[in-house]
Amino acid sequence: GAGVSQSPSNKVTEKGKDVELRCDPISGHTALYWYRQSLGQGLEFLIYFQGNSAPDKSGLPSDRFSAERTGGSVSTLTIQRTQQEDSAVYLCASSLEVGNEKLFFGSGTQLSVL
Amino acid sequence: GENVEQHPSTLSVQEGDSAVIKCTYSDSASNYFPWYKQELGKRPQLIIDIRSNVGEKKDQRIAVTLNKTAKHFSLHITETQPEDSAVYFCAASYTASKLTFGTGTRLQVTL
Repeated sequence: GAGVSQSPSNKVTEKGKDVELRCDPISGHTALYWYRQSLGQGLEFLIYFQGNSAPDKSGLPSDRFSAERTGGSVSTLTIQRTQQEDSAVYLCASSLEVGNEKLFFGSGTQLSVL
Repeated sequence: GENVEQHPSTLSVQEGDSAVIKCTYSDSASNYFPWYKQELGKRPQLIIDIRSNVGEKKDQRIAVTLNKTAKHFSLHITETQPEDSAVYFCAASYTASKLTFGTGTRLQVTL
């Protein structure tokens, strides 16, 4: 595709519900990253994938957060039993490969937990 | 782990003036320092980056300097224009897979 695509662009959910966020990276990019951007904060690393494997999950805030990537392409970030503090913009990025640090970001998913 | 501090949090300059944003990092093993620009409502985009084997890099009106000894790096924008108004993020990395970002600087260029 022309760029990194994320869906939905906005998601409003009730506390306790599960949500799934989707990221479609640039075609041919083997590395995929998830970041979280809270209001007035920087970008917080969550997880990255090289192909379908996730060598570094250290940024996931709790076991309510999980992510997977299939076919070396699309990735989904799942948040179970959402809490109000999960409200943020979730940004996905991709790069040609791990070690090629130039990240191309998607437009993000604005998650609001009521 | 790495910790990146960024200052100032907001910066207002007049069109044509220069702007400087500074970042410090904690991990001496970090070797890659990019800067991202995020316009309002848009995605972050890489504008310039520097590696630890060089001290300065320029690209037209933008330059980045790195002081490895002091563990700080700076973004310099000269002849600022209204379209430079955005939030700028610095970042540092040593694993090439995990960027640690600063908290951002909101730059406002006034006419």
